[in-house]
Amino acid sequence: QQQVKQSPQSLIVQKGGISIINCAYENTAFDYFPWYQQFPGKGPALLIAIRPDVSEKKEGRFTISFNKSAKQFSLHIMDSQPGDSATYFCAARGGSNYKLTFGKGTLLTVNP
Amino acid sequence: NAGVTQTPKFRVLKTGQSMTLLCAQDMNHEYMYWYRQDPGMGLRLIHYSVGEGTTAKGEVPDGYNVSRLKKQNFLLGLESAAPSQTSVYFCASSPGLVRGTTGELFFGEGSRLTVL
Repeated sequence: QQQVKQSPQSLIVQKGGISIINCAYENTAFDYFPWYQQFPGKGPALLIAIRPDVSEKKEGRFTISFNKSAKQFSLHIMDSQPGDSATYFCAARGGSNYKLTFGKGTLLTVNP
Repeated sequence: NAGVTQTPKFRVLKTGQSMTLLCAQDMNHEYMYWYRQDPGMGLRLIHYSVGEGTTAKGEVPDGYNVSRLKKQNFLLGLESAAPSQTSVYFCASSPGLVRGTTGELFFGEGSRLTVL
């Protein structure tokens, strides 16, 4: 049972464009929704995160949009740059044990 | 500040051999995790620990064992390696249930294991 579904699997965007990655979850007990960024040969690193009591969080060019009723959240990368090329994972956490459930990842390529 | 360090970074095993992956963190984190990453499968939790001396099963624990004898170290063992265990393994740590923290996971750079 996949608890966090992520799409698309891969995405190609031109420099300056908007990259959008979507995730959907099933477990209503999830209370924290982070996005992790992973460059080749490196471990994932936290990019931005949101809690379900807000609908949007923005940090620089990165924005999370959250729709609690639809159980969906998405990452928007404005003015995408070649340096943003990486794999992006959405995740969700619930309960007291701080376990994260990850989506399957999206490979983003930003062409110059 | 080294963060999370994994050793070894690369290893090739033959089917049936055993090995141990070592994870060390210097952030005094309570929680530690072992994930495996496979193409198209994302990150899947193998085992985790919420404190020294404790371990628990994750999503894909079969074929693996772990130990957390010291707070800063989390060992992942393969007793009899199988080709299906060919993967990139990531260790992570987090502060756990500490007020004012988000429970962010800090990952190591990974250990690439190939089982022939």
